Amino acid sequence: SQQGEEDPQALSIQEGENATMNCSYKTSINNLQWYRQNSGRGLVHLILIRSNEREKHSGRLRVTLDTSKKSSSLLITASRAADTASYFCATVTNNRLAFGKGNQVVVIP
Amino acid sequence: EAGVAQSPRYKIIEKRQSVAFWCNPISGHATLYWYQQILGQGPKLLIQFQNNGVVDDSQLPKDRFSAERLKGVDSTLKIQPAKLEDSAVYLCASSLGAANNSPLHFGNGTRLTVT
Repeated sequence: SQQGEEDPQALSIQEGENATMNCSYKTSINNLQWYRQNSGRGLVHLILIRSNEREKHSGRLRVTLDTSKKSSSLLITASRAADTASYFCATVTNNRLAFGKGNQVVVIP
Repeated sequence: EAGVAQSPRYKIIEKRQSVAFWCNPISGHATLYWYQQILGQGPKLLIQFQNNGVVDDSQLPKDRFSAERLKGVDSTLKIQPAKLEDSAVYLCASSLGAANNSPLHFGNGTRLTVT
């Protein structure tokens, strides 16, 4: 099944800075979703962006989708220590959802 | 609303033993998923149910893994016999509808260690 690939794999930033993660995929999709996972916990849904959408916002999160380049980005603005987590993109095709390898983000207070 | 419940939280077994995990999805959620997450990797889908029917089990190692969702609500995932490489976190998730339109809600997982 298709999987997203996040880049970079690990990111360490100072509190207040912005964090950007990218995800690329290989085939056509119905939508793309971003999830956060804190250590030892399950994944939490952040944003769903459909294939006919280019940009979506939710609070401090901004997601873009470029279907021509088969890529998506997740921007976290004004990061906080609580944003320290792993972030995963997941592609959805024909109701099948497949996750990428994830980005480890560490926000230093 | 109550979240997805999973039990046990942790399990340690020896190789060749059997183990079972239980999942109670969010009430009213038609779709239920079992994922395997190996340390440092993204979750890998094992099986997806729509109500009590299997939608996708293409990545389920059927010689040792089995899953059922009786009455379209709770689900159990079983491994028999376990291998060392089965050590992972097993995540259950549910969604109101199909993945095309509905985000997934995850439980906290069961961490399995096979020795």
